[in-house]
Amino acid sequence: KNEVEQSPQNLTAQEGEFITINCSYSVGISALHWLQQHPGGGIVSLFMLSSGKKKHGRLIATINIQEKHSSLHITASHPRDSAVYICAVTAGTASKLTFGTGTRLQVTL
Amino acid sequence: GAGVSQSPSNKVTEKGKDVELRCDPISGHTALYWYRQSLGQGLEFLIYFQGNSAPDKSGLPSDRFSAERTGGSVSTLTIQRTQQEDSAVYLCASSSGAEAFFGQGTRLTVV
Repeated sequence: KNEVEQSPQNLTAQEGEFITINCSYSVGISALHWLQQHPGGGIVSLFMLSSGKKKHGRLIATINIQEKHSSLHITASHPRDSAVYICAVTAGTASKLTFGTGTRLQVTL
Repeated sequence: GAGVSQSPSNKVTEKGKDVELRCDPISGHTALYWYRQSLGQGLEFLIYFQGNSAPDKSGLPSDRFSAERTGGSVSTLTIQRTQQEDSAVYLCASSSGAEAFFGQGTRLTVV
């Protein structure tokens, strides 16, 4: 069993839909990261959180430390949101990231 | 620099040759990481440098892989006697202790 599990693996949505991607982890962590990777592109950090909730534009990330679970929500989805979204955790300050396998999101018109 | 810079962006090499991949981290970032993303696979950790501490090499897949970081800044990942299974995108990231910033990666193809 991977230390970081994501679901779903693939997700197709129509423009405007509300999207949720889930991440569960089995180890103690200092922080959880949500990353975005566009086809052929690099990786961009969306959020780093250790508790509660963060919001940036149409993106919202939440974490429940007790349940070892995080969710990434996208409101009013748009085709430009199509990308792979990756959950990753760190176990200490500036330590290495352990990645989930990613969720491939396709938003259609 | 403004971001993490990696070079080359693409590298095609013959099986058995050595390759060097370079990473220029964000100025002032003490932590530097190398990750690998094989086709259809997730990201895997290779090696981590933190300041002057001994690097964490626990992710290097074999002794053909090595990395160094000179002067606490630029890092070079070296793969000796490349094999086809080494084909992947090699990503470098740097951090000041919190959020990690990634380079665009080097796509290595071993033919």
